Amino acid sequence: EPEVTQTPSHQVTQMGQEVILRCVPISNHLYFYWYRQILGQKVEFLVSFYNNEISEKSEIFDDQFSVERPDGSNFTLKIRSTKLEDSAMYFCASSEAGGVAQYFGPGTRLTVL
Amino acid sequence: GESVGLHLPTLSVQEGDNSIINCAYSNSASDYFIWYKQESGKGPQFIIDIRSNMDKRQGQRVTVLLNKTVKHLSLQIAATQPGDSAVYFCAENINTGNQFYFGTGTSLTVIP
Repeated sequence: EPEVTQTPSHQVTQMGQEVILRCVPISNHLYFYWYRQILGQKVEFLVSFYNNEISEKSEIFDDQFSVERPDGSNFTLKIRSTKLEDSAMYFCASSEAGGVAQYFGPGTRLTVL
Repeated sequence: GESVGLHLPTLSVQEGDNSIINCAYSNSASDYFIWYKQESGKGPQFIIDIRSNMDKRQGQRVTVLLNKTVKHLSLQIAATQPGDSAVYFCAENINTGNQFYFGTGTSLTVIP
């Protein structure tokens, strides 16, 4: 069964450093998403991406964040100048279309020291 | 922001019993709902979905009920098994938008 994959599973970085989180969505899906989950809290939407551009983003997704689909399979989330409060699980998801079931990857645990 | 909440943060059931997990939502414009299961250290796993033109949908051992009048959603798990132990989230979507709004989750523990 096809699934979303993410790398790395755990990323530790120093405050102020840049990180890139990587995702490989399900191959026939056209919509891609990033969510985050701070420990013990809700899963929160960050951004959606379709047709090589951002289609929707939340208030959390400020200028510190960017997304890219550098090739036909990868989807990345870049966080510039990480802050302590960026520590969270970051989940990538994909779907065949908008407004239908989204399938999540296993997540990347980001720890900012 | 949108509000999706769960009535109970924890639920313990005996193996073999049925489980019912509840969810309240506040936006009457929400028209699509998904139940996700999240095991420790893993991502949310799709269980079952329902659109607002339905009030019930069944899957394998799971049933989702939607009451739009009171904006309430429930997940019923039949013959609960130890492998069902996880946190369960309801998530809502509005007008085929891109984002899902997640509730805080209910932790289900199955007692052998």
